Amino acid sequence: GQQVQQSPASLVLQEGENAELQCNFSTSLNSMQWFYQRPGGSLVSLFYNPSGTKHSGRLTSTTVIKERRSSLHISSSQTTDSGTYLCALGGSNAKLTFGKGTKLSVKS
Amino acid sequence: EAAVTQSPRNKVTVTGGNVTLSCRQTNSHNYMYWYRQDTGHGLRLIHYSYGAGNLQIGDVPDGYKATRTTQEDFFLLLELASPSQTSLYFCASSEGGSERLFFGHGTKLSVL
Repeated sequence: GQQVQQSPASLVLQEGENAELQCNFSTSLNSMQWFYQRPGGSLVSLFYNPSGTKHSGRLTSTTVIKERRSSLHISSSQTTDSGTYLCALGGSNAKLTFGKGTKLSVKS
Repeated sequence: EAAVTQSPRNKVTVTGGNVTLSCRQTNSHNYMYWYRQDTGHGLRLIHYSYGAGNLQIGDVPDGYKATRTTQEDFFLLLELASPSQTSLYFCASSEGGSERLFFGHGTKLSVL
């Protein structure tokens, strides 16, 4: 089946530092999505990015299909960025395979 | 942005009890999903549907039934709840399969 590996598993930053989160996958993809999970549990869609680069404020997502990887870059981190970041791979069916997430802690 | 509403937000039941989790989406998305999230396992797909009356089996379906009564409403049923079903449950919807997914706020279920 599809395998999705996220790295690092956890990351601690000082406010203002940048972060690079990685998602590697072992099979071909139809879609790649990134989500943010708040400490309280709710999930927010950040990017739907099957290929190329997309920007949203301080966030940038880049998916390189032939290298089987996607990344999420957070610039000038803030304490409110703390939480867990999940990537999800969509294959040829309607099901997504989620990574186990990167837990980010940003300290002031 | 799609609105996905789950109820209840929290539920406590006993082993052997019946539980129904409800989900409603208001953007006329075709696909709806039920996931569970557990420490060490991440998000796992229980059941999903691509329209009213349709049901597809996910990756961890044992012990769960689901029913899509309308385009908007998707229910997850636990008829004989077990402690192993204690989890955080999420409903989600998307326009098409593998397209952008929108989640509800989650239901925390405890089976004692």
